[in-house]
Amino acid sequence: DSGVTQTPKHLITATGQRVTLRCSPRSGDLSVYWYQQSLDQGLQFLIQYYNGEERAKGNILERFSAQQFPDLHSELNLSSLELGDSALYFCASSVAPGVDSPLHFGNGTRLTVT
Amino acid sequence: GNSVTQMEGPVTLSEEAFLTINCTYTATGYPSLFWYVQYPGEGLQLLLKATKADDKGSNKGFEATYRKETTSFHLEKGSVQVSDSAVYFCALSKRYGGATNKLIFGTGTLLAVQP
Repeated sequence: DSGVTQTPKHLITATGQRVTLRCSPRSGDLSVYWYQQSLDQGLQFLIQYYNGEERAKGNILERFSAQQFPDLHSELNLSSLELGDSALYFCASSVAPGVDSPLHFGNGTRLTVT
Repeated sequence: GNSVTQMEGPVTLSEEAFLTINCTYTATGYPSLFWYVQYPGEGLQLLLKATKADDKGSNKGFEATYRKETTSFHLEKGSVQVSDSAVYFCALSKRYGGATNKLIFGTGTLLAVQP
């Protein structure tokens, strides 16, 4: 158990809809990351937060947004969903934001867009 | 840009066989290199890492050496077990003054170990 909690585990929704994925980081971790894992794109970095502030941005679509709240949990919002957004979305956390701080991954939220 | 290339799977081995999963990278400067493992239905777990040239990372019988001259970080294990069956990801992370940790992953290699 990594200590990172993601909810829900599975999500099925229709095209055009909006969903919110939630992540609670490991106790004591201040940095949160979101990754998307799909068959065609592999594991893609989306965004990183540290102590409530955005720290780095990757291949995140404009339809997607995220935030980290004062209690350090994070939410990833996906809107105007398309079939191609179907993927496994992972949250990870680390103590500090830099490269020397190992990432701990949650078990992911599997999103299916129909 | 920065990228990681790893051998395509699946890799199928018998128990106690020797394992090598190749990984090469493209990056400017001196990235840190990692191997992560993903067991079925779970998130990724850090297996080992190396932060500078000639460093050897090791954990649970797995080893990988950071070779800057060949830009490689091949994963090896002398004797695999059925419980090692998983997907293995090679990854790199560039230093940005310690400010970010943006991992770039390879495509993953599925290892299946048969009894």
